[in-house]
Amino acid sequence: AQKVTQAQTEISVVEKEDVTLDCVYETRDTTYYLFWYKQPPSGELVFLIRRNSFDEQNEISGRYSWNFQKSTSSFNFTITASQVVDSAVYFCALSEESYNTDKLIFGTGTRLQVFP
Amino acid sequence: EAGVAQSPRYKIIEKRQSVAFWCNPISGHATLYWYQQILGQGPKLLIQFQNNGVVDDSQLPKDRFSAERLKGVDSTLKIQPAKLEDSAVYLCASSQPIPEAFFGQGTRLTVV
Repeated sequence: AQKVTQAQTEISVVEKEDVTLDCVYETRDTTYYLFWYKQPPSGELVFLIRRNSFDEQNEISGRYSWNFQKSTSSFNFTITASQVVDSAVYFCALSEESYNTDKLIFGTGTRLQVFP
Repeated sequence: EAGVAQSPRYKIIEKRQSVAFWCNPISGHATLYWYQQILGQGPKLLIQFQNNGVVDDSQLPKDRFSAERLKGVDSTLKIQPAKLEDSAVYLCASSQPIPEAFFGQGTRLTVV
C-alpha cells in the first residue's frame, strides 16, 4: 500500500540550529518519485525537491539537504542554520509510476517553528 | 511565468448550499489536479485531468462533488450540497509530463 509517514508533528528550534525532518514511505513499486513541499502561512505549497527511486545520491541546495535511503525507505530533509523564514509546514510526498496517475500521496506534515 | 491561479481565496457558506471554485493552471500544463486539505492533514487528491479527460476521480465524492475542465485549460470544482465535513482548503495544481506539480494558493472553504 502507498503510504507516507511523517512522525514529527511539530518541531521548534532556535535560529541557527540545524533541524532534520523525517519521512518514511511505503510502496510496492520499483519506480517512484519522492518530493518535499513547503507550506508557509499563505497556504501555497512550494515545491522543494523531487527524487526518483533510482537516484540515491544525497542532494544539497544551499542550507537544504536531503538524504534518500532505499534500504530504510526514508527521505529525510535537513535545514542547516535555520532561519525564521523557514517556519512553515513541510510535507513529504510519494508518486508511483505504475498507476495511470501521477498523483501525490502526502504525509501529514511537520510544522517547523524557528524562533529568533 | 504566471503561477496557478485560484479563486475565490475564501468562502463561507451554510450547509446544504452550493459552491464553486475556479482554477487557471500554468500555461501549457496538460495535467490539472484538485486536492482537498483538511486542517492538520496532508492534501488528498480529489480528481486529476489530463487535458479534457479525467485520469483519476476515485476519491471524489460524486454524490456531491463535480468537476470539469473545459477546453483543457480552466477548471471548476463544485460542491452541491455542502456538508460541514467539506470545510477544508481546496488546492489546484498543474504539471507537465514530468511529475512536478505546481500549486495555487488554494480556496479556504468554511461550511457552517
